[in-house]
Amino acid sequence: KAGVTQTPRYLIKTRGQQVTLSCSPISGHRSVSWYQQTPGQGLQFLFEYFSETQRNKGNFPGRFSGRQFSNSRSEMNVSTLELGDSALYLCASSLGWEQYFGPGTRLTVT
Amino acid sequence: AQKITQTQPGMFVQEKEAVTLDCTYDTSDQSYGLFWYKQPSSGEMIFLIYQGSYDEQNATEGRYSLNFQKARKSANLVISASQLGDSAMYFCAMREGMDSSYKLIFGSGTRLLVRP
Repeated sequence: KAGVTQTPRYLIKTRGQQVTLSCSPISGHRSVSWYQQTPGQGLQFLFEYFSETQRNKGNFPGRFSGRQFSNSRSEMNVSTLELGDSALYLCASSLGWEQYFGPGTRLTVT
Repeated sequence: AQKITQTQPGMFVQEKEAVTLDCTYDTSDQSYGLFWYKQPSSGEMIFLIYQGSYDEQNATEGRYSLNFQKARKSANLVISASQLGDSAMYFCAMREGMDSSYKLIFGSGTRLLVRP
């Protein structure tokens, strides 16, 4: 069974731009969660999507948004990028107790 | 409030020896799950082991075992026969409301270095 895939793996953007990250979950998994990892704040929960609906949301500004498609693939969008948005963005695919992560997208904002 | 505490920022272990990474948690939920993940320098979060709050037996997965002490709210990871490839960051995480949410709360992590 294929694992969780995330694209792109690396991204460099300029302050003020927007970015879209993609996550394809493990086949059969209906939940996708997103996390931001920074050296200062550690791993923080962004949001979770289940069957195309946002089920849970972390404490992030509205510039961070997401969506899930009918095939369970999910996208995360960050608008008006700030330097502090530089981070590793991880998505997790879940079913039952299983919760597996993708390799992450490393975003650098200059 | 839900919280995960990992009190060891860094640890050393000699190759082939066992090591215990500490994790304590705080929750008022009766139903929760505890996870350990390994994160090498590449950044990928690798699932190691899972323990459900209602599981009576301690979870084991190969060289990994979870020492679950519910009354003390601790879920320590034991790695037996350490290998050089075990050098990485290790994160303890908790999920509350097992039926309704997949949100994980993470600890700050422990950096493990295995010495040859």
